Amino acid sequence: EAQVTQNPRYLITVTGKKLTVTCSQNMNHEYMSWYRQDPGLGLRQIYYSMNVEVTDKGDVPEGYKVSRKEKRNFPLILESPSPNQTSLYFCATSPGQGRSRYGYTFGSGTRLTVV
Amino acid sequence: TQLLEQSPQFLSIQEGENLTVYCNSSSVFSSLQWYRQEPGEGPVLLVTVVTGGEVKKLKRLTFQFGDARKDSSLHITAAQPGDTGLYLCAGRLILWYSGGGADGLTFGKGTHLIIQP
Repeated sequence: EAQVTQNPRYLITVTGKKLTVTCSQNMNHEYMSWYRQDPGLGLRQIYYSMNVEVTDKGDVPEGYKVSRKEKRNFPLILESPSPNQTSLYFCATSPGQGRSRYGYTFGSGTRLTVV
Repeated sequence: TQLLEQSPQFLSIQEGENLTVYCNSSSVFSSLQWYRQEPGEGPVLLVTVVTGGEVKKLKRLTFQFGDARKDSSLHITAAQPGDTGLYLCAGRLILWYSGGGADGLTFGKGTHLIIQP
């Protein structure tokens, strides 16, 4: 079954404690991306990757890091989480490079709370 | 940064009625996508429209892309309680430049739709 797997689904952590949210896909998609969803602000792009070893900033990259060492995985790293990073996070993938007619496949989300 | 204005933000109607959700922007997009999202889950793709003026139908849902590729609409005929959910429009913009490219979705803030039996 084609899927995007995020872990963990829920996470409560303390300010400053480094954490990683993993994202893995089994569809051989070249494009992967991270979004955060906040009430009143909607979904906003954090980082994206158009291929292995190629990453770029989205609209809200501050406080986040990513890496794309292999095609299937695209982890999101919070080096020093702060309460304003409390949010619902989604990983998304899409086939091909820049193929506009394809939609995104989203993971089930990670609800992060930073206290 | 591109902006997508989606309206209405909230809509509650009776079963059997028709409705239209609008998505407008001043920017031109490579494609316009519509998603549906259930609480606590990721958005699920309904349709992608690519060509200006394109119309796609998915059972009782009709999607249209504006001629100038800046706006889109979702029309639901004879709404059912199962149509209840959050509907999101998203514009995909793909840019190529020397040495790389940029690709991302800009989302509207969504339409919370409730269909009452």
